[in-house]
Amino acid sequence: DAGVIQSPRHEVTEMGQEVTLRCKPISGHNSLFWYRQTMMRGLELLIYFNNNVPIDDSGMPEDRFSAKMPNASFSTLKIQPSEPRDSAVYFCASSFQTGSSNTGELFFGEGSRLTVL
Amino acid sequence: AQTVTQSQPEMSVQEAETVTLSCTYDTSENNYYLFWYKQPPSRQMILVIRQEAYKQQNATENRFSVNFQKAAKSFSLKISDSQLGDTAMYFCAWTNAGKSTFGDGTTLTVKP
Repeated sequence: DAGVIQSPRHEVTEMGQEVTLRCKPISGHNSLFWYRQTMMRGLELLIYFNNNVPIDDSGMPEDRFSAKMPNASFSTLKIQPSEPRDSAVYFCASSFQTGSSNTGELFFGEGSRLTVL
Repeated sequence: AQTVTQSQPEMSVQEAETVTLSCTYDTSENNYYLFWYKQPPSRQMILVIRQEAYKQQNATENRFSVNFQKAAKSFSLKISDSQLGDTAMYFCAWTNAGKSTFGDGTTLTVKP
């Protein structure tokens, strides 16, 4: 079975440009998470969805960041306009959660390394 | 808010020896899960081992085992017979209701 698929793996862009990162979760998983990893701040949860509905977006840095999950098999994280401080590795992860069985194990994609010049 | 602390930013171990990575956490919840994830240089995070907080028995997965001390809120990872492929960054994570909090990670280098 395919794992979590993210694209692009690498993105280099100039300040002010729009960036869109994409994620396809594991089929059957009902929760999706976007994380950002930097040397300074470690792994930060940006937003997570359950059954395509955003549950907690308190980690989204500012209005320049937005995330959508139009269906169970696709999510996007958009940064507009991008800034050099947005440079990081962005991970998407998915999991399967039910009320009675909720181990919380996350399955990660390979990440998208973003460099904003 | 939950916090997870990994006090060892970097560690090294000789191949075939044993190493222990430390993790402490702070929570007022009684039911939760704890995880160790491995992030090799290839960057993808993969699960190493999982512990349910309601289980007193320490989890074991082949060469990997944990020492879970619930009262002390401690969750250390022991790697026995270290192999070169164990070189990676290791993250401790606390999870409740599907949401995870990660420590800052420990970079482990296994030396030949």
